Amino acid sequence: DAGITQSPRYKITETGRQVTLMCHQTWSHSYMFWYRQDLGHGLRLIYYSAAADITDKGEVPDGYVVSRSKTENFPLTLESATRSQTSVYFCASMLAGVPNEQFFGPGTRLTVL
Amino acid sequence: AQKVTQAQTEISVVEKEDVTLDCVYETRDTTYYLFWYKQPPSGELVFLIRRNSFDEQNEISGRYSWNFQKSTSSFNFTITASQVVDSAVYFCALSEAPPIEEYGNKLVFGAGTILRVKS
Repeated sequence: DAGITQSPRYKITETGRQVTLMCHQTWSHSYMFWYRQDLGHGLRLIYYSAAADITDKGEVPDGYVVSRSKTENFPLTLESATRSQTSVYFCASMLAGVPNEQFFGPGTRLTVL
Repeated sequence: AQKVTQAQTEISVVEKEDVTLDCVYETRDTTYYLFWYKQPPSGELVFLIRRNSFDEQNEISGRYSWNFQKSTSSFNFTITASQVVDSAVYFCALSEAPPIEEYGNKLVFGAGTILRVKS
């Protein structure tokens, strides 16, 4: 199916475990983004990528790692999950060029116990 | 630094009332872009509008309208004759035009306004 997908949609894990959230898009968009959504904060950018093998930190990168070996995939890894990382995570993609509409995935609800 | 403020945490209206969602932004750039997104109860984020800093014309799309005023750094969103289906969280966001494309087009979001439309 075309579009942007995230997996898993729901995840419960324990403090200290490594967790990887997957994001896949079929549009060949250059840009991809990871956000976390928390009450009172809106969406905050964790990491973004301008193209394969080009990534950079956003506003709240601590505790997260990303990679982008292929244009269509942008996984987000929590190296050692903490309770403060309990959140809803959204992946997004966007065409290159001037700031344009970002297309968001359905989100992953992560709970760290 | 960029900042977006949505001072209204939650608004409740009765169906058919008009409602305005406020958005105030801060940026040092002269070229920037403003966005509104809708997040219905199902959770997905839906793009509503993009506006660049050089286009101050107000825009109307059906029951939706947007008022962009650079003088007050505001980009307010009005829903006319609200409906229950308009109940959602609405986010205003800002993106500065990057000096180099590889730096990315990062969005800074406001905290969101919860709109509840009662029948």
